[in-house]
Amino acid sequence: EAQVTQNPRYLITVTGKKLTVTCSQNMNHEYMSWYRQDPGLGLRQIYYSMNVEVTDKGDVPEGYKVSRKEKRNFPLILESPSPNQTSLYFCASSLSGHLTDTQYFGPGTRLTVL
Amino acid sequence: AQSVTQPDIHITVSEGASLELRCNYSYGATPYLFWYVQSPGQGLQLLLKYFSGDTLVQGIKGFEAEFKRSQSSFNLRKPSVHWSDAAEYFCAVGAVADTGGFKTIFGAGTRLFVKA
Repeated sequence: EAQVTQNPRYLITVTGKKLTVTCSQNMNHEYMSWYRQDPGLGLRQIYYSMNVEVTDKGDVPEGYKVSRKEKRNFPLILESPSPNQTSLYFCASSLSGHLTDTQYFGPGTRLTVL
Repeated sequence: AQSVTQPDIHITVSEGASLELRCNYSYGATPYLFWYVQSPGQGLQLLLKYFSGDTLVQGIKGFEAEFKRSQSSFNLRKPSVHWSDAAEYFCAVGAVADTGGFKTIFGAGTRLFVKA
């Protein structure tokens, strides 16, 4: 089944404790992206990757890191999480990243930073 | 700057009634427009998209949307709502990022409640 998976689905952590949220897709897509969803703000893009070893900042990249060493994986790293990073995070992928491509979203990761 | 506005935070509709969700966008060039639905606890699913051609676009689950350039709008409609349509709906516009890649800008969402 074609899908985007994220782990963990739920995470509670404390300020400053490094964490990684994994994202994997099995559709051989070139483009992958991370979003955060906050009430009243919709989804905002954090980082995106057009292909392996190619990543770029989205609209809200501060406090996040990403890497794209393999085509299927695009982990989101929070080196020193803070409470304002409490949010619902979505990973997405599309074939090439062109505007006409359909994005496929993962089920989301709900992160709470205490 | 590109932006998407969904004026209604939430809407309540009776089952069987018609639905229209509003979306206005701001984008200088020809817009690439999308509607997504998010069911509780789920990721986003694409309902429909518009790039060019016929301004009335048909999507999945009986939804349609109409692009009106003069009004910068892309409203989503459904003639008869089912209880399973209760969800949050996001309008989005595709844009070229400053870095040369592509990005999607989402509206804040409209939560649809369906009453029996």
